[in-house]
Amino acid sequence: GENVEQHPSTLSVQEGDSAVIKCTYSDSASNYFPWYKQELGKRPQLIIDIRSNVGEKKDQRIAVTLNKTAKHFSLHITETQPEDSAVYFCAGRSIQGGKLIFGQGTELSVKP
Amino acid sequence: EPEVTQTPSHQVTQMGQEVILRCVPISNHLYFYWYRQILGQKVEFLVSFYNNEISEKSEIFDDQFSVERPDGSNFTLKIRSTKLEDSAMYFCASTPGDSPLHFGNGTRLTVT
Repeated sequence: GENVEQHPSTLSVQEGDSAVIKCTYSDSASNYFPWYKQELGKRPQLIIDIRSNVGEKKDQRIAVTLNKTAKHFSLHITETQPEDSAVYFCAGRSIQGGKLIFGQGTELSVKP
Repeated sequence: EPEVTQTPSHQVTQMGQEVILRCVPISNHLYFYWYRQILGQKVEFLVSFYNNEISEKSEIFDDQFSVERPDGSNFTLKIRSTKLEDSAMYFCASTPGDSPLHFGNGTRLTVT
């Protein structure tokens, strides 16, 4: 069945460094890939998304890259700040209105 | 900005009891979802709902679960006979279609 694998499960960086989180997906029909940030006890909040017709998308310090051939996509956060500390989830979806399949999550810790 | 609202924020129930979790999706959205997140784990898909019927459900969504859209605004998740392992955060989400999912703040269900 559909599956999204995410790694690493935990990531610790120094403030100002970059952080990279990687995901792979199994369903070749997947065409939409959002990234969510979840702070402790809160709901997942969309931070960036990418569609399969685009290879890269950037929004200020956050960027996402997609390699459809290899079926993997990555989140890049530059100039990390302590407030970036949270759990980040990647996800994939194959049809309009279809379910999102989430990765296992990466707990990012940014040390001041 | 419109939001998905969920009530209650926390529900405590005894094993074997029925619970109903309530959600009000964003008004012009067409697709509705329930997700579950056990503490410290990933966000898991339960069920999607479109055009007044279930469009997809996961293996978790067994005969103990049901969903309803009793009127034009509410979307409910019912668990008929709760088990200890049903303890989790339950998130409702909605989308107009080919757009990001918007999540509610969740209901923390504790089964004792």
